Amino acid sequence: KAGVTQTPRYLIKTRGQQVTLSCSPISGHRSVSWYQQTPGQGLQFLFEYFSETQRNKGNFPGRFSGRQFSNSRSEMNVSTLELGDSALYLCASSLVAGAANEQFFGPGTRLTVL
Amino acid sequence: GQQVMQIPQYQHVQEGEDFTTYCNSSTTLSNIQWYKQRPGGHPVFLIQLVKSGEVKKQKRLTFQFGEAKKNSSLHITATQTTDVGTYFCAGQRTGTASKLTFGTGTRLQVTL
Repeated sequence: KAGVTQTPRYLIKTRGQQVTLSCSPISGHRSVSWYQQTPGQGLQFLFEYFSETQRNKGNFPGRFSGRQFSNSRSEMNVSTLELGDSALYLCASSLVAGAANEQFFGPGTRLTVL
Repeated sequence: GQQVMQIPQYQHVQEGEDFTTYCNSSTTLSNIQWYKQRPGGHPVFLIQLVKSGEVKKQKRLTFQFGEAKKNSSLHITATQTTDVGTYFCAGQRTGTASKLTFGTGTRLQVTL
């Protein structure tokens, strides 16, 4: 079974631009969560989607948004990029919704904001 | 909000030595998960603990969930160089369908 895939793997943007990251979960998994990982803040939860609905949201500004499609693929968007948005963005899928389930992480998208 | 702290932040051991990382939550947890992230890699699920006082073993790894369900530990016996990486605990707060909160992580370095 193929794992979680994320595209692109690396991205360089400048301040003020916007970016869209994509995540394809493991086949059959309907829940997708997004995390931001930085050396200073560690792994921080962004949001979780299940059946195209956002179930949970972390403490990030409204510039961070996401969506999920009917095939469970998910995208996250960051508008008006700031230097502090430079991070590894990880998505994780699980079979069902909720944090009580094993999360399968993708390789991540490394975003650099210049 | 919920906070999950891990100690130590970093540990360097000689191969064959034991290693323990401790995870402490500010709130009671319904369950706790442990993940390992190799350098340059992504977190990989190791185990989930649900019951108060639960102890689980995976070969050289022993996981414990505290009686009060607010702390947990991971102990590695006789470390090997393949154990190198960052170990994260992640907990879900009791009583809500809340998000998984990851701990601050413990980076383990093992040298020969």
